[in-house]
Amino acid sequence: EVQLVESGGGLVQPGRSLRLSCAASGFTFSDYAVHWVRQVPGKGLEWVSGISWNSGFLAYADSVKGRFIVTRDNARSSLYLQMNSLRPADTALYYCVKADDNYVWSGAFDHWGQGTPVSVSA
Amino acid sequence: QVVVTQSPSASASLGASVKLTCTLDSGHSNFPIAWHQQQPGKGPRYLMKVKSDGSHIKGDGIPDRFSGSSSGAERYLTISSLQSDDEADYYCQTWGTGFRVFGGGTKLSVL
Repeated sequence: EVQLVESGGGLVQPGRSLRLSCAASGFTFSDYAVHWVRQVPGKGLEWVSGISWNSGFLAYADSVKGRFIVTRDNARSSLYLQMNSLRPADTALYYCVKADDNYVWSGAFDHWGQGTPVSVSA
Repeated sequence: QVVVTQSPSASASLGASVKLTCTLDSGHSNFPIAWHQQQPGKGPRYLMKVKSDGSHIKGDGIPDRFSGSSSGAERYLTISSLQSDDEADYYCQTWGTGFRVFGGGTKLSVL
């Protein structure tokens, strides 16, 4: 069974940093692209960032470009999101999501984690 | 700019069928989409991928009551024999080189 378990969320002041982690199991992690998607409570889904199977291609939404960095460790079956210069608008539930292809721009999102909450407030 | 449009809400009676619509902008009318279900208080769950030719590939364990189809720039999710736990938000999402875009979601009420 595919499992994606996020951690690392919390309350942080504007301008500070936070690092999210996602532990994957139940599939060959190194074969697939993985992504971060966020959701403001009560609102819709927003794609944040994605990384190809071998870290050869990284992609970001314009709203986080230059502030967030996505990485992965295939040996540990883990995905990370380093979030810098955080803003109140970054407050959301962050989901780790697996795609059914190995390239960032290919494939449907076929498995989701349960999310980790991030709150940016003074 | 990629635009994915969904009606904000829909409703249908217990045991009936409902057809939700996802509309792609004219420049992306032949792109595939995915449907995701989000029940109250839970994370999203992948339901299926729907291609422009109407073929669909369902996720693991998705019941036969859920099916997908397509017509032009519209992609559909049909749920038959509605159950109370089908009451949820349903999101469609498309993708291509340089973009991954979600629709605003449809809140389905089961009466």
